[in-house]
Amino acid sequence: LAKTTQPISMDSYEGQEVNITCSHNNIATNDYITWYQQFPSQGPRFIIQGYKTKVTNEVASLFIPADRKSSTLSLPRVSLSDTAVYYCLVGGVGGSSASKIIFGSGTRLSIRP
Amino acid sequence: DADVTQTPRNRITKTGKRIMLECSQTKGHDRMYWYRQDPGLGLQLIYYSFDVKDINKGEISDGYSVSRQAQAKFSLSLESAIPNQTALYFCATKQGDTGELFFGEGSRLTVL
Repeated sequence: LAKTTQPISMDSYEGQEVNITCSHNNIATNDYITWYQQFPSQGPRFIIQGYKTKVTNEVASLFIPADRKSSTLSLPRVSLSDTAVYYCLVGGVGGSSASKIIFGSGTRLSIRP
Repeated sequence: DADVTQTPRNRITKTGKRIMLECSQTKGHDRMYWYRQDPGLGLQLIYYSFDVKDINKGEISDGYSVSRQAQAKFSLSLESAIPNQTALYFCATKQGDTGELFFGEGSRLTVL
């Protein structure tokens, strides 16, 4: 399983764009990159998933360079409600080993007024 | 009603007691997971099940056991609870290799 490295914490202000970068140097060919958001005392919630280049949905964008050794979650115009912990996960496709989903420590994002 | 339901939501018990946390899902997903979260830390995988006949250990399975009674039910047992098992426990489900995880609301366990 590919190990991920994220900043422990980040601070920003309302209305700013926030970019959280995750390093996954030993990502395998069939690995996908997935980001989750977690609020205190709640289970994580899926944000976005991608394999390469750029993926965008209604809440975030995910940028993956050609070598796929890192990825960046971009949150446009954050608000106070975006204060949460964000997890970057890397996992493969195929077989029961692909089901072993490991969360790291995540990035604690704090948004200020 | 929630798609992934955990019971009990809160439980206080004493050292040495046997505890079972139950998880049921209505999403029809094949994969189910149990995670543990200590205050201020990330989630740690305890056990996961690929399907009814497949149970796998996660990162921290010692002191825990699981049972996948049906596709929709996955229970976590602590045979003899100890204080350092005090934590928030989450059940999650997933369909297929690239599907997203869906989490229950969590079960807060306190072992005195």
